[in-house]
This record gives sequence, C-alpha cells and structure tokens, in this order.
Amino acid sequence: QVTLRESGPALVKPTQTLTLTCTFSGFSLSTDGMCVSWIRQTPGKALEWLARIDWDDDEYYSTSLRTRLTITKDTPKNRVVLSMTNMDPVDTGTYYCVRETGGGRNGFDSWGQGTLVTVSS
Amino acid sequence: SYELTQPVSVSVALGQTARITCGGSNLWTKNVHWYQQRPGQAPLLVIYWDTKRPSGIPERFSGSNSRNTATLTISRVQAGDEADYYCQVWDSDTVVFGGGTELTVL
Repeated sequence: QVTLRESGPALVKPTQTLTLTCTFSGFSLSTDGMCVSWIRQTPGKALEWLARIDWDDDEYYSTSLRTRLTITKDTPKNRVVLSMTNMDPVDTGTYYCVRETGGGRNGFDSWGQGTLVTVSS
Repeated sequence: SYELTQPVSVSVALGQTARITCGGSNLWTKNVHWYQQRPGQAPLLVIYWDTKRPSGIPERFSGSNSRNTATLTISRVQAGDEADYYCQVWDSDTVVFGGGTELTVL
C-alpha cells in the first residue's frame, strides 16, 4: 500500500522560507521510474505543480517558481523535502506530495492528504 | 508556456452522460491525465494516458483525445460524481494542469 504524508509548519511569515517534508511508504525512490512531485492548491483555485524529483536524481521545477524552489530526497529514509523561499500571502494554500511512476509519464497515482500552509504576519 | 483550457462548469442530470473537455494546442500529441477532486479531499487519478482507467475506477469513466481536445466522459452519472475535474499533461519538462471543471449533478 502506497502512502504519502506531508509535514511542516502550518503558519509562516512573509519573506520566510517554507520547508515541507514528504514521508512515504510502499515504494522506493531507488526504483526505476519512480518520481515524487509537490503540487499546491491555493484557496478557490486550481492545482499548481511545483517541482519533481526522480529516481535518477533528475529535478524539474515550475517555470514561474523555479528561482524560489529546491527539492531534495533522502532515499534511505523515504523522504522528499521541498523548500520555498520568500513566502508571500499569495502562497497560502494546501500543499500535496504525490507519486508518479513510469518516469513521470503515468499520471499522479498516489496523493498525500495535503498540508495547509498559511502565510501571514 | 503551454495552456490547457477547461469549461468552468458542467451540469448534467442524474443518470445521464457528462462530457468535460480539455483544450490545448496539438493536444493529441500528448498523454492526457484526468483527476477527480471531491470537496475536502485530495485529487484522484481517474484516467491516464488519454483512455486508461486505474484499478478501482468504474467503467463509467472513459477518456478520448483527438486533435486539440481531450474529453472525459462519465456515463450514468451518479450524485457521488459531483466534483471538480482537472486535466493534466507534461510539456517542456513541466506539468501543466487545466483550470478545472466543476461538475454539478442535477
């Protein structure tokens, strides 16, 4: 059974850096074709993909947010960490950790429950 | 950057067929995935690779992709199908989502 769980602060101040951790089970990021992405959903708005890290260490980032994002993995601990700098109130939303197989070609087949992050002073 | 266009809302009578479209330039050249998101829940993959259903997704859900439009079709719509639906593709090393369609079951 594949599970993913997001953890991190519920509240961050403007200009601070957000660090979110995804802890997963049921698969390994050392397996060929495995990928983990972060996706967010701001209130009342659509899904927005942020970043992805692959089994072979390749990294991909949203074009519009590239300069603010860093994604890393700890394969033995089954963790993926996302850092987002210079947080702003418009970044308030629910952040999801998701899995994709097939080298990122098969769709996001497993989602965490999401973690709500509020950016406010 | 690549864009996917979905209608904001679609309404369908209980038991009828709902069709939700997703438009994009030369979309037929890409693999389209569809997600269902019920209120308060994380999205759920309902169609991948244009037409394939993940295990556990009812046969009532089907997909197609032709030229510039992909379509998610839900047959014999049930009250539980009321949700937001999103299409998604991979383009130029990034993931692109459509703006989402709210399906209302009348």
